[in-house]
Amino acid sequence: QQQVKQSPQSLIVQKGGIPIINCAYENTAFDYFPWYQQFPGKGPALLIAIRPDVSEKKEGRFTISFNKSAKQFSLHIMDSQPGDSATYFCAASIRSNSGYALNFGKGTSLLVTP
Amino acid sequence: NAGVTQTPKFRVLKTGQSMTLLCAQDMNHEYMYWYRQDPGMGLRLIHYSVGEGTTAKGEVPDGYNVSRLKKQNFLLGLESAAPSQTSVYFCASSYSYGGINEAFFGQGTRLTVV
Repeated sequence: QQQVKQSPQSLIVQKGGIPIINCAYENTAFDYFPWYQQFPGKGPALLIAIRPDVSEKKEGRFTISFNKSAKQFSLHIMDSQPGDSATYFCAASIRSNSGYALNFGKGTSLLVTP
Repeated sequence: NAGVTQTPKFRVLKTGQSMTLLCAQDMNHEYMYWYRQDPGMGLRLIHYSVGEGTTAKGEVPDGYNVSRLKKQNFLLGLESAAPSQTSVYFCASSYSYGGINEAFFGQGTRLTVV
């Protein structure tokens, strides 16, 4: 079963808007929560990541908010641009005998209109 | 520095045929993974390796085999291809340092089984 649940499946915002993508997990052993960005025809690439000992992390226009008690985390994109149009995946992992294998959400297709 | 390179990029197989997908990384990473990406399903782990000579099953291993004879290479084999294996396959490698676990993905192999 999907260990990380992601919503919405797709999102359309105007340039300058703030799209928000949400994820939820069940396994409290997860200790690393990255977001990956994927452009058409390309492999996913790490965008930003957070560990559960902090509630928020910002990198440029991208912010992760983390709520450990609710087992939820979200990605906010400030001042979104058409170039941000891509598919975004949340993920979770834990150091185990599987290395750091990522458990991905199903993805959110984001379109930022001019 | 090429990162993660997948060969081939595209392939069409007939049902029952076999093939091998090659993944090569030049970053000296210990961990390597094979994922498949299907519309609306996110990325699902097929097999992974935590070091040279080791392999293990992921979430959807049936119909696939893998080998990691050299640290830099991770091969994914399909012994008897089925239409359900039509997908985009991504190889990834990762490291862990200073609390960061970043996975680097290849460009993907688009496989169609007819």
